[in-house]
Parts: sequence; C-alpha cells; structure tokens
Amino acid sequence: GIQVEQSPPDLILQEGANSTLRCNFSDSVNNLQWFHQNPWGQLINLFYIPSGTKQNGRLSATTVATERYSLLYISSSQTTDSGVYFCAVHSGNTPLVFGKGTRLSVIA
Amino acid sequence: EAQVTQNPRYLITVTGKKLTVTCSQNMNHEYMSWYRQDPGLGLRQIYYSMNVEVTDKGDVPEGYKVSRKEKRNFPLILESPSPNQTSLYFCASRRLAGVGNEQFFGPGTRLTVL
Repeated sequence: GIQVEQSPPDLILQEGANSTLRCNFSDSVNNLQWFHQNPWGQLINLFYIPSGTKQNGRLSATTVATERYSLLYISSSQTTDSGVYFCAVHSGNTPLVFGKGTRLSVIA
Repeated sequence: EAQVTQNPRYLITVTGKKLTVTCSQNMNHEYMSWYRQDPGLGLRQIYYSMNVEVTDKGDVPEGYKVSRKEKRNFPLILESPSPNQTSLYFCASRRLAGVGNEQFFGPGTRLTVL
C-alpha cells in the first residue's frame, strides 16, 4: 500500500517564527489532505490539495504530485498553532492513509 | 453547516457491556468510515462503507461491527468491549470518487473500557 512519511517528527518554534513541514508519499495519489489535530484531539481540515498551491491566512500548502511530495508552510506562528499536523493521501476508493505526523510546539 | 457528528464524545464503560457510537453526516456522501487513534500507532481504519448496505473491513476490524441502513448514518458497535479497545475514535465521510472527494472527520469519541 501507499506509504506516507512526514518530517520533521517534532518541531519547537518561538512565536513569530516560520516553518515548513514535509510529506512524501510512495505512489501516485488523487487526494492529499493536511490536518491539524488540536490539543483536544479534534482533526481540523487545513487543505485539500492533490496538486498545486493553496493559501489560507498564515498557512499555505504546495503539492508536487509528479515528485510525490507536499509542503505545508506556517508563517508567523502562534501558540494556537501547536498540535500535530498530519498529511493523508488516497487513490481512487482506497482508504485515506495517514503519515505519523509532525508534533509542533510554539512557545511564547 | 456541512458536518460529521458523533455521539457520545466521551464514554467510560466496563468490559463486556455492549455499546454503540453513532455517526451521522449531512453532506450526502457515499463513503463513510471509522478510525481509531492510538499513541505510537497513528490512525487506523476499522471499517468502511461505500454505500447503503455495503460495508467492508479495514485494517483493525476485530471486536467491532458496523451497519449502513441509511446513507447518512454509520454506527460503530462494540458487542463486548475489552480494555484494548480504549482509544480515540473518529468517524469520517467523503464522496466516493471524482473531483472534490475531500474527507471530513467527526469530532472524535474518547472511549475508556475498564
């Protein structure tokens, strides 16, 4: 099955810093999503981005499907950005496969 | 508002006492699924359904049952819960195929089996 690798596994940032999270996947996919799991455990949809670039406020994402990777950019980080960021992919009707996540801690 | 709802959000129960976690979506999605999330193991799919009366096993189906009698509902049933089913459970839905098959998750159910 499809393998999803995320890096780095852990990241500690000072408030106001920028960061880039990476997601590599092992096969062609027709769906890629980024999620933020907040400290209460809820999975928040950030981006649905099978290809191209999208932006939403301080967050943006780019997927290069031909090279099988996606990047999530967080600019001017805030303490409320803390949590775990997951990349997940699927192809056709297969299940959504998750990476192990990047745990982000933003300190004031 | 488009959403996936789950109930209950928190549940503490005892070994062997049957329970049901409900899941409902209002987006007319064909595909629904259940995941469990455990530390160090990530999110793993339990069961999924591609349409009414069509269900299939995911990666970790043992100890669980599901049913899909209506398109909007996909309950998860634990006939005889055991402590190793203590976990955080998520229900999810999406379109079956085509453009825009973004997957949406419910808020999660924290289950503790004593």
